Amino acid sequence: ETGVTQSPTHLIKTRGQQVTLRCSSQSGHNTVSWYQQALGQGPQFIFQYYREEENGRGNFPPRFSGLQFPNYSSELNVNALELDDSALYLCASSYPQGMYGYTFGSGTRLTVV
Amino acid sequence: KQEVTQIPAALSVPEGENLVLNCSFTDSAIYNLQWFRQDPGKGLTSLLLIQSSQREQTSGRLNASLDKSSGRSTLYIAASQPGDSATYLCAVPGSQGNLIFGKGTKLSVKP
Repeated sequence: ETGVTQSPTHLIKTRGQQVTLRCSSQSGHNTVSWYQQALGQGPQFIFQYYREEENGRGNFPPRFSGLQFPNYSSELNVNALELDDSALYLCASSYPQGMYGYTFGSGTRLTVV
Repeated sequence: KQEVTQIPAALSVPEGENLVLNCSFTDSAIYNLQWFRQDPGKGLTSLLLIQSSQREQTSGRLNASLDKSSGRSTLYIAASQPGDSATYLCAVPGSQGNLIFGKGTKLSVKP
């Protein structure tokens, strides 16, 4: 059973640029969700994808967007990067509604300068 | 609106102590609760998942309990070790099938 894989592990971007983060889900899971974690805080829900459709979204602006592919992997895209977007981005996979819990990846550390 | 609170925010104990981490939530209509461990700068590792029909789950030296009616869960760590040093997060399902997290308890176990 493969776990959740995220790439890249770290990256540095300049304010105003765009970034794409990637996530492969655990084998058998068809739902992927993304979270942003600022230093010293709990993860905050960005959005969730099920069957290639966004089916839930937290309090994040539209410049945060995503995709889910037929193999259930996912991308998180952030446009017009701001300094406050610097954070650890976590991807989680699960069955619908997380009925059997969530599996998280190791995260992508994004630094915006 | 579901809110999750974890107390204490930080805890430092000598090696070998038994300890309890607390998690409370405002909306008791949850179907499960999950405890995670996070090492600095790393992702989340699932420790225990408790379904609403269960009152306890155990894994090795870890035991988690759930009392839905009072909106509380505890994570008990027996015979703590320096390798247990990490931040422990609890999370409950939100209305969109997402997870709602507390801010975590940062545990330091001193040799």
